[in-house]
Amino acid sequence: AQKVTQAQTEISVVEKEDVTLDCVYETRDTTYYLFWYKQPPSGELVFLIRRNSFDEQNEISGRYSWNFQKSTSSFNFTITASQVVDSAVYFCALENYGGATNKLIFGTGTLLAVQP
Amino acid sequence: DSGVTQTPKHLITATGQRVTLRCSPRSGDLSVYWYQQSLDQGLQFLIQYYNGEERAKGNILERFSAQQFPDLHSELNLSSLELGDSALYFCASSVRGTPYNEQFFGPGTRLTVL
Repeated sequence: AQKVTQAQTEISVVEKEDVTLDCVYETRDTTYYLFWYKQPPSGELVFLIRRNSFDEQNEISGRYSWNFQKSTSSFNFTITASQVVDSAVYFCALENYGGATNKLIFGTGTLLAVQP
Repeated sequence: DSGVTQTPKHLITATGQRVTLRCSPRSGDLSVYWYQQSLDQGLQFLIQYYNGEERAKGNILERFSAQQFPDLHSELNLSSLELGDSALYFCASSVRGTPYNEQFFGPGTRLTVL
């Protein structure tokens, strides 16, 4: 079965702290995609990154970085020097390779609160 | 702006009623997906259409139905509404609807059932 687990329900940090959001996934597919989305208080889903299962290189984009480790089935997301504007719910998702479909399976989300 | 539009933005209705949510995919995208985000169930996949035909179904209730029209817009119909149907409903679209095709999400329709 395909599953995404985000064990951290809520994280609270003070501005400028670094924070890592954990994501563990389960899939029997050898080829798959993983995603991170941000959902600010306004409600929309903002795409952050898509990573395929063949690319285990870490990715950095500004203050954001992602660590993908197939050996532990994890795709963790780190925000460096957090800012108040980073406060949001963050979702990790797995693309379900069902042959005919590419529906996304989401984790339960991590609520990040960055205090000034 | 993802290019996916959803109307209305907010909808407030009463139990037992029926509503229709509308989604227009990005230009050129043939596949449309519907997702529901509720407090109980989190973000879950409901149904997918590709070029007018149903392609995949998730945990969609029998009281819910969807359709994709020849102009590729899609509608999600929710009937006999219950309090628990209150949720944020997202539509997404992709080019082909097969693996490795990125999905682009609309802004969502927030449904409140009183």
